[in-house]
Amino acid sequence: GAVVSQHPSRVICKSGTSVKIECRSLDFQATTMFWYRQFPKQSLMLMATSNEGSKATYEQGVEKDKFLINHASLTLSTLTVTSAHPEDSSFYICSAPDRPYGYTFGSGTRLTVV
Amino acid sequence: GQQLNQSPQSMFIQEGEDVSMNCTSSSIFNTWLWYKQDPGEGPVLLIALYKAGELTSNGRLTAQFGITRKDSFLNISASIPSDVGIYFCAGHGNQFYFGTGTSLTVIP
Repeated sequence: GAVVSQHPSRVICKSGTSVKIECRSLDFQATTMFWYRQFPKQSLMLMATSNEGSKATYEQGVEKDKFLINHASLTLSTLTVTSAHPEDSSFYICSAPDRPYGYTFGSGTRLTVV
Repeated sequence: GQQLNQSPQSMFIQEGEDVSMNCTSSSIFNTWLWYKQDPGEGPVLLIALYKAGELTSNGRLTAQFGITRKDSFLNISASIPSDVGIYFCAGHGNQFYFGTGTSLTVIP
């Protein structure tokens, strides 16, 4: 089946630094990828939709200058958390549509800002 | 964005028991998906449903796409300890929406 590779799986960074998370579709092309944020024991909240070759679409309340999304190719999307602060600590997950199987998710990135 | 109503929120069951959870929406969906998420991992697709009334099985798991296209349920038969995790439904109409999740604990 389809595989979405997400890296890193865990990252600890200092407050004020930036962190980049990569999401790659390994055996299929993804013109669209979705980025989610998940707090402990809660559901996934859609942050933004990245589109290959065009600007990402952000959900209401998500700061686009803080969460920079780049969809550089048909197999790669990146999320950069800029000037990270402790409140940005969370579990970030990407997904890509892979019909007819549905949506395939990456394994997630645990971000801890200290 | 919109979230689907998923129930129950959590379940504590004995190993060997059957499990049932459901998802409802105010909107009509064309696709219903059921995922399982283990701690610290991304969700993994369990079952995909593409037609109203469709009943699909995957091993001990059975899911149905409601006739009204506004609901779906997932059943797990003869639960085992490795069934522990959070189960999410997801619906797709013109957008993709997630359920609120059902946390399942299986007591050996």
